[in-house]
Amino acid sequence: GDSVTQMEGPVTLSEEAFLTINCTYTATGYPSLFWYVQYPGEGLQLLLKATKADDKGSNKGFEATYRKETTSFHLEKGSVQVSDSAVYFCALSAFSGGGADGLTFGKGTHLIIQP
Amino acid sequence: DAGVTQSPTHLIKTRGQQVTLRCSPISGHKSVSWYQQVLGQGPQFIFQYYEKEERGRGNFPDRFSARQFPNYSSELNVNALLLGDSALYLCASSLLNRGTGELFFGEGSRLTVL
Repeated sequence: GDSVTQMEGPVTLSEEAFLTINCTYTATGYPSLFWYVQYPGEGLQLLLKATKADDKGSNKGFEATYRKETTSFHLEKGSVQVSDSAVYFCALSAFSGGGADGLTFGKGTHLIIQP
Repeated sequence: DAGVTQSPTHLIKTRGQQVTLRCSPISGHKSVSWYQQVLGQGPQFIFQYYEKEERGRGNFPDRFSARQFPNYSSELNVNALLLGDSALYLCASSLLNRGTGELFFGEGSRLTVL
């Protein structure tokens, strides 16, 4: 079945550090890939997405590139802020054509940014 | 504009009981999905409904059921509760019926089974 593996947390960084959160996936066909973020006390929200190979999703300074050859969708940000502290989830949707499919999520990575 | 609203926000039940969770999607969204998030894990897909029909189902037992109403709100029912059903239940709505659409999540209903 489909699966998503992302690096375990918590990940603790200092403000203005470079961030990488690794995400790899297993899926049949050509999935769409997502990063969702959950800020403290808030619901999950979409951060960025990519729907085909070599697409780059970007939002709020975060970027991720859909790499089919390595089945990866790593999340990066050049300079993190304290406000980026949250739990980040990598997810995929392997739409199978016959109907809607739900998202398959990774376990989440808790990011802590220290001032 | 109102986001996805869920009720109740917290509830406590005992083993063997039944629970009903409710969800109102964003206005104009016709698709509603339900997810279970156990502490420390990512959300797991339970159901998706679109235009009042079940369009997808995850790997959950028949004790879990759902329905969508003409106003596109939805209910998730869980019968014969087990301790392992303790989790945050998330509802998400979207415009599209396809997985390439963006999901808008509510803050969830936290169920504790004693």
